[in-house]
Amino acid sequence: EVQLLESGGDLIQPGGSLRLSCAASGFTFSSYAMGWVRQAPGKGLEWVSGITASGSSTYDADSVKGRFTISRDNSMNTLYLQMNSLRAEDTAVYYCAKGHNWQHYFDYWGQGTLVTVSS
Amino acid sequence: EIVLTQSPGTLSLSPGERATLSCRASQSVSSSYLAWYQQKPGQAPRLLIYGAVSRASGIPDRFSGIGSGTDFTLTISRLEPEDFAVYYCQQYGSSPRSFGQGTKLEIK
Repeated sequence: EVQLLESGGDLIQPGGSLRLSCAASGFTFSSYAMGWVRQAPGKGLEWVSGITASGSSTYDADSVKGRFTISRDNSMNTLYLQMNSLRAEDTAVYYCAKGHNWQHYFDYWGQGTLVTVSS
Repeated sequence: EIVLTQSPGTLSLSPGERATLSCRASQSVSSSYLAWYQQKPGQAPRLLIYGAVSRASGIPDRFSGIGSGTDFTLTISRLEPEDFAVYYCQQYGSSPRSFGQGTKLEIK
């Protein structure tokens, strides 16, 4: 059974940094693209970042480019999102999601972790 | 960046009726790389359709997708009570990937 378990969400002040983790199990992690999608309270889905199976290529939304970095450790079956220079508008539930093969649409999702940016 | 516009914003229908949801892209979506998701309150999204027309594993055949280029449609042939939710389209053919703003399907 595919499982994605996010962690690391917290209340953080504007300008601060946070690292999210996503522990994956139930599939061959190193064979699949992965991504992060967020959802602000009461709002729609926003694609944040994606990474290829090997980790050699990454893709970021314009809203986070230069501030967020997606990475993965295939030996630990873990996906990461390093978030720097956080803003109030980054407040959201952050979902980790598994790509379908090399594609960046998502067939499995975690339950999400809440990041709140507020002073 | 490709902007996806979904319509209508809210759709009010009764169980047993047919639902038609639209997703229009600001530029052509390459290779029909378009997916549809369903999200219920407090839950993560669920993949319904990928490649514009292919149903994901375990999705009932009352859900169908059609379209190419800039115009895509999700149809639910006969609404069941569990189908009332928010639906999102997503393009994954170009970077950055993007989602539509969602269509809320509510019980009339």
